[in-house]
Amino acid sequence: AQKITQTQPGMFVQEKEAVTLDCTYDTSDPSYGLFWYKQPSSGEMIFLIYQGSYDQQNATEGRYSLNFQKARKSANLVISASQLGDSAMYFCAMREENYGQNFVFGPGTRLSVLP
Amino acid sequence: GAVVSQHPSWVICKSGTSVKIECRSLDFQATTMFWYRQFPKQSLMLMATSNEGSKATYEQGVEKDKFLINHASLTLSTLTVTSAHPEDSSFYICSAGTRDRNNPSGANVLTFGAGSRLTVL
Repeated sequence: AQKITQTQPGMFVQEKEAVTLDCTYDTSDPSYGLFWYKQPSSGEMIFLIYQGSYDQQNATEGRYSLNFQKARKSANLVISASQLGDSAMYFCAMREENYGQNFVFGPGTRLSVLP
Repeated sequence: GAVVSQHPSWVICKSGTSVKIECRSLDFQATTMFWYRQFPKQSLMLMATSNEGSKATYEQGVEKDKFLINHASLTLSTLTVTSAHPEDSSFYICSAGTRDRNNPSGANVLTFGAGSRLTVL
């Protein structure tokens, strides 16, 4: 079974608008971390934001925020005030405490920001 | 912040030859590094976990004799694609666990190299 699901293969957003990228996960481990990475066309993987399973507050990092709904097992990424440079692939990932440092990545969402 | 350097960025080789990709942690020590493979328009697939001073741990379905991993020091891991064939053409990317720069006492995040695009003719 898929541990990380990203149901949106592609998304479009108008410049300066906000966009939400969906991510749901599956784990029975009580301790885990959720991560979002951005991969521009150059191929590098850029860490954006992290949410721990025990964190009480939603993580925020500049224009990025994570809408963490633990009961629903979702960790959606919200990008506010989209910029043209935000066009990229976005991957949701999870690291489970019982699996050491191993990260599991979702299939990704391609975001296109329109001028 | 933590930087992982990967070299080469691009490599084209003939079928049957071997190709070595290097992954270096520039300003930190990495006892563990991870090697991923990414096909076009797909997600990252973990190939193996590279452990300094010991054998790598390969994921199911990854041929250890095909993809040789060596982690001889705390700052260098290498992936050698032996007797490369066109089906080995892919994007290979390494990573190491580092602390989140905004939360040094917090969780490990993966810091990635820039990746290596291998084309086997």
